[in-house]
Amino acid sequence: DAKTTQPNSMESNEEEPVHLPCNHSTISGTDYIHWYRQLPSQGPEYVIHGLTSNVNNRMASLAIAEDRKSSTLILHRATLRDAAVYYCILRANAGGTSYGKLTFGQGTILTVHP
Amino acid sequence: DAGVTQSPTHLIKTRGQQVTLRCSPKSGHDTVSWYQQALGQEPQFIFQYYEEEERQRGNFPDRFSGHQFPNYSSELNVNALLLGDSALYLCASSRRPAGTDTQYFGPGTRLTVL
Repeated sequence: DAKTTQPNSMESNEEEPVHLPCNHSTISGTDYIHWYRQLPSQGPEYVIHGLTSNVNNRMASLAIAEDRKSSTLILHRATLRDAAVYYCILRANAGGTSYGKLTFGQGTILTVHP
Repeated sequence: DAGVTQSPTHLIKTRGQQVTLRCSPKSGHDTVSWYQQALGQEPQFIFQYYEEEERQRGNFPDRFSGHQFPNYSSELNVNALLLGDSALYLCASSRRPAGTDTQYFGPGTRLTVL
């Protein structure tokens, strides 16, 4: 599986934007970029995913570099409830050999200060 | 719409015993994956079931086995428990065919082996 690299931790203040980076220099052309987060004492939760174009949903935005070797998860206004571990994961599309499993890295621990 | 449910919530066993954990997928989902998350670590993929067959397996010994029932629910069995099997066991469900099979996680079963 292609590997991702994320900072171990980041901090933010409440109601400020947060940009969580992820490097994936060995990404293949069919890999989707997924983000999951895990709040304390809960299972991981899907946040967003994309292939080439930037994506927006109610939780966050995903900005993907033109060469696809990096991406950034953007939380537009952080709240205390956004404090979690954020995982950037590459997923093969249907038919790929790694289809079906998520390979988690160590993720980024996001701390949000009031 | 109920999400992914797991039972039991917590479990305490002794070394050498056997344990069975249960998972009910989200409504409309037909694929179940299991993950092990040791304290302070990221989740590790154990295996995935679809159409009542194991489709993919991570780097786990044969002591870890599973089953999927016709109603898509699943069980994870661990034999000859070791202290190192103490972890949070997460179940995730998804739907095939789906290009990127977003996975929905349950709250997990916390297994303690004494």
